[in-house]
Amino acid sequence: EDQVTQSPEALRLQEGESSSLNCSYTVSGLRGLFWYRQDPGKGPEFLFTLYSAGEEKEKERLKATLTKKESFLHITAPKPEDSATYLCAVQARGGGFKTIFGAGTRLFVKA
Amino acid sequence: EPEVTQTPSHQVTQMGQEVILRCVPISNHLYFYWYRQILGQKVEFLVSFYNNEISEKSEIFDDQFSVERPDGSNFTLKIRSTKLEDSAMYFCASSKRQARELNTEAFFGQGTRLTVV
Repeated sequence: EDQVTQSPEALRLQEGESSSLNCSYTVSGLRGLFWYRQDPGKGPEFLFTLYSAGEEKEKERLKATLTKKESFLHITAPKPEDSATYLCAVQARGGGFKTIFGAGTRLFVKA
Repeated sequence: EPEVTQTPSHQVTQMGQEVILRCVPISNHLYFYWYRQILGQKVEFLVSFYNNEISEKSEIFDDQFSVERPDGSNFTLKIRSTKLEDSAMYFCASSKRQARELNTEAFFGQGTRLTVV
C-alpha cells in the first residue's frame, strides 16, 4: 500500500534558524513527489514537484531534495511568514493521478 | 494567475439532506479531483475525473457521493443523505497532464467547509 510519513509532527524554530523536514514514502513506482504549504483554513498551495532520485528544486528559502525512499524540505534562514503546515504527497504510476498525502509538519517560526 | 474556485466557502446542512459543492477548475487543465480533510487529519483523496468519467476513486467514495461536469467549466460533488461524519473541508483540485506525464501536480481551491448538524 502506498504510504507517506512525515517527521517531525511539529517544529519550532527561531527566525534565521535553518532546519529540514523529512518525508518518507513507499509507493509502487513513483510518478512524482510533491510538496505543498497549507495555511489554517486554506487549501494546499503547490510548492515543488520532484520526479527522480537526485533531483533538487529551490524556491526562495526552500529547497526540496529526493532519494529513492525519502524527500527533505530544507528551510534556510526562515522568517515568521514561513510558519505553516508543510505537506508531502506522492503519486504512483498508473491509475488516475491520485495523490496520497502525509499528515504534514507544522512549522512555527518565532521572530 | 489562474486558480481553482470553489463555492460556497461554508455550507451548513441538516443530517439526511443532500448538498452540492461546486468548483471551477483551471481552464486548460484536464484532470479534476475532490479531496476532503476532516479537522486535524490528513488530506484524503476521494475521486479523480478525466474525459467526462471517473478515472479513480477511493473506498470513501461510495454510493453516497457522485461527481459531474455539467458544462465546460463547472465540476460538482454531490453528497446524498449527509451524515455527521461527512463534516469536513472539501477541496477541489485540477491538474494538467502532458504526454511525458510531467506537470501532474494538482492545484487546489480554497475549499468548502461542510458542517452537518
